[in-house]
Amino acid sequence: GAVVSQHPSWVICKSGTSVKIECRSLDFQATTMFWYRQFPKQSLMLMATSNEGSKATYEQGVEKDKFLINHASLTLSTLTVTSAHPEDSSFYICSARDCGIRSAGSKSWCSNQPQHFGDGTRLSIL
Amino acid sequence: AQSVAQPEDQVNVAEGNPLTVKCTYSVSGNPYLFWYVQYPNRGLQFLLKYITGDNLVKGSYGFEAEFNKSQTSFHLKKPSALVSDSALYFCAVRDMPPGAGSYQLTFGKGTKLSVIP
Repeated sequence: GAVVSQHPSWVICKSGTSVKIECRSLDFQATTMFWYRQFPKQSLMLMATSNEGSKATYEQGVEKDKFLINHASLTLSTLTVTSAHPEDSSFYICSARDCGIRSAGSKSWCSNQPQHFGDGTRLSIL
Repeated sequence: AQSVAQPEDQVNVAEGNPLTVKCTYSVSGNPYLFWYVQYPNRGLQFLLKYITGDNLVKGSYGFEAEFNKSQTSFHLKKPSALVSDSALYFCAVRDMPPGAGSYQLTFGKGTKLSVIP
């Protein structure tokens, strides 16, 4: 089945450091990937939708200059937390949908396919 | 916008007993519903989905869910719980909020399932 690999799984760094998290679709192409943030004992909060070859779409309240997203290829999206501070400590999870080789005109069909999630990145800022 | 609600923060069940994790939805139009499971320090794993068709949907690991339109519910069930089923379960609905360029998943707050040996 479709596999999403997320790296690193755990990061501990000093305040002010920038941290890059990678999300790869290993056996399928993903024109769209999603980045979530999860606080302890809470649900997933969508931060942004990453689109291959174009700008990411950020959710309301998410600082685009703080959380830089790059989706340079059909199998890789990166999230960079710039000048991280302790309040940025969280569990970050990416996901992607495997829409096969259907055309872009089948967005509705694609949206019914399950999202495949990476194993998450635990970010701790000291 | 579409939404789902999981009324229980925690569900405890004895091993071997049937389990139910509740989910209700609020949508305009036809609902597209999903269940995911999350183990500690891991991402989410897809269990099953309802798009159209039979109201009883069978998924991974012996789980199933029943879509009930009149009660706007999509409860997750399993006939016989295993200790290894202990995890966090999320119900989700396909959504496209105003201004969004693509469909998204909107998740419930999650229900922690504990299966007691």
